[in-house]
Amino acid sequence: GNSVTQMEGPVTLSEEAFLTINCTYTATGYPSLFWYVQYPGEGLQLLLKATKADDKGSNKGFEATYRKETTSFHLEKGSVQVSDSAVYFCALSDLGGGSNYKLTFGKGTLLTVNP
Amino acid sequence: EAQVTQNPRYLITVTGKKLTVTCSQNMNHEYMSWYRQDPGLGLRQIYYSMNVEVTDKGDVPEGYKVSRKEKRNFPLILESPSPNQTSLYFCASSLYSVSSSYNEQFFGPGTRLTVL
Repeated sequence: GNSVTQMEGPVTLSEEAFLTINCTYTATGYPSLFWYVQYPGEGLQLLLKATKADDKGSNKGFEATYRKETTSFHLEKGSVQVSDSAVYFCALSDLGGGSNYKLTFGKGTLLTVNP
Repeated sequence: EAQVTQNPRYLITVTGKKLTVTCSQNMNHEYMSWYRQDPGLGLRQIYYSMNVEVTDKGDVPEGYKVSRKEKRNFPLILESPSPNQTSLYFCASSLYSVSSSYNEQFFGPGTRLTVL
């Protein structure tokens, strides 16, 4: 079956530090890959996505590249801000010929950015 | 404003007392789904629906029921809640297309359920 493994953290950084959150996946087909962000007390928001190998998703200064050869989709940001403090989830969607758009999530990584 | 709404946002109940968590979307999405979020486990799918009157089990359906009588609504029913159903629940929706392998899912704000 499909699975997503991400570094669990928590991760604590100072403002303007470089961020990497590792994510690797296992999938039987050709999945689409996502990073979702959950701010305190809120639901999940799509941060970025990549739907095929070598695609780079980017949004709000965050980037991730779909690496099929290493089955990875690591999240990076060059300079984090206090407002980036949240839980980050790596996820995949693999329709696999079926009809369920189920997202398979990693366990989430809590990021805290200190001023 | 395009959104997914859930009610209630917080609920404390006792074992065995039937409850329903409502989910509604205003984007005319065909696909809707329920997830539960537990510490250290991430989110896991409970049930999903591809359209009105079409529902199917996800990964953790035991103890839950759903219905899809209208396109916009997808309630989650716990007929006899137990403490192991204490969790944070999210509803999600998206467009559905047979020819597409991906459509962005939009999530509701979550319902925090405690079963005593």
